[in-house]
Amino acid sequence: DVKVTQSSRYLVKRTGEKVFLECVQDMDHENMFWYRQDPGLGLRLIYFSYDVKMKEKGDIPEGYSVSREKKERFSLILESASTNQTSMYLCASSLMPEDYGYTFGSGTRLTVV
Amino acid sequence: SQQGEEDPQALSIQEGENATMNCSYKTSINNLQWYRQNSGRGLVHLILIRSNEREKHSGRLRVTLDTSKKSSSLLITASRAADTASYFCATDEGGSYIPTFGRGTSLIVHP
Repeated sequence: DVKVTQSSRYLVKRTGEKVFLECVQDMDHENMFWYRQDPGLGLRLIYFSYDVKMKEKGDIPEGYSVSREKKERFSLILESASTNQTSMYLCASSLMPEDYGYTFGSGTRLTVV
Repeated sequence: SQQGEEDPQALSIQEGENATMNCSYKTSINNLQWYRQNSGRGLVHLILIRSNEREKHSGRLRVTLDTSKKSSSLLITASRAADTASYFCATDEGGSYIPTFGRGTSLIVHP
């Protein structure tokens, strides 16, 4: 089974800190995704990557950046954390999401204080 | 961007009963997917149904798709307490390979 591993389940950071959320998948998928999930708003796509060093903005990229130096690893970076970035962050990977669906990690619940 | 909408928002049933959730969307799709999310965890892919399919089964799950009504339903038969979770549909706009998610149906199954 494909495994998607997010480095932290819970994280508490201070306003203004630079935050790194790490995601690793073990199935050689080209496509990787970062979503945030908030009550009443569902899942919203932040960034995705379809190849090493390639990245595309999703629906809500402001305040975030990403890095994909290796195929298996996709990092989400909060350049200067703010309280409105308190959320559940979900990483996913897929061979072809429209045909095979996503495999999600367990999520990182980030609290910015 | 297009987003499937699940209905109802919340559903509460007794163990052994069937649970039905619906998803409606606005424009044409290639595929529709259903996911489950246990509290505080990531989503788990349940079923993908293609636009040329009308029904699909997986264990106690039955998914139907009616493209003329732009809707899909997920039926969980003989529900168990362990089925308690949120259920999401994800749809793709024609030509896009990035599915987008609805806000989900929260299912509670009482033992």
